[in-house]
Amino acid sequence: DTGVSQNPRHKITKRGQNVTFRCDPISEHNRLYWYRQTLGQGPEFLTYFQNEAQLEKSRLLSDRFSAERPKGSFSTLEIQRTEQGDSAMYLCASTGMIGDFTDTQYFGPGTRLTVL
Amino acid sequence: QKEVEQNSGPLSVPEGAIASLNCTYSDRGSQSFFWYRQYSGKSPELIMFIYSNGDKEDGRFTAQLNKASQYVSLLIRDSQPSDSATYLCAVRAFSGGYNKLIFGAGTRLAVHP
Repeated sequence: DTGVSQNPRHKITKRGQNVTFRCDPISEHNRLYWYRQTLGQGPEFLTYFQNEAQLEKSRLLSDRFSAERPKGSFSTLEIQRTEQGDSAMYLCASTGMIGDFTDTQYFGPGTRLTVL
Repeated sequence: QKEVEQNSGPLSVPEGAIASLNCTYSDRGSQSFFWYRQYSGKSPELIMFIYSNGDKEDGRFTAQLNKASQYVSLLIRDSQPSDSATYLCAVRAFSGGYNKLIFGAGTRLAVHP
């Protein structure tokens, strides 16, 4: 078990460009979450997948954001036409280990996005 | 009103002292509560979870839950400089048939030698 991984770890882009982030959850976990965290704030929920189905999207997730989880394995988060306000740490978390009644979420290292 | 509230700090304690971190939540139906530690520039790492009223101890850490007062706390005994970090309180919210975590803004802890 290598934990949740995310790539890239850092991304610097110019306003208006598209970016895509990848999350590989812990292999036994069937549930995957994306959060966004800005400086001085706690993580804010963006979206949730159970297997390959995207079951919930926060109102924070504008039409420029799209997430997928093909085949219920890794997930991607794409931001189109980036804006400076999109600059944040994007965190992925997974859960769903059989027997884990606490439903504890384990976080990846995050992708820090800077939009110039 | 924020759903999960924490004092932003910084909370400054001397090495070896007890650090007390507090958190209040608004949803009286909340059942599970988590404390995460986050070092600067890093992602949150789980310290403890608690779901029953009372205390739960794990090494130097003790989580306390009082559902009647909608209050969760984390005590760190024998604080070390390596404990200096932001501590995030999270409440599990169940809606639409699934769980998500609602985080507070975190309390920054500084342990000085």
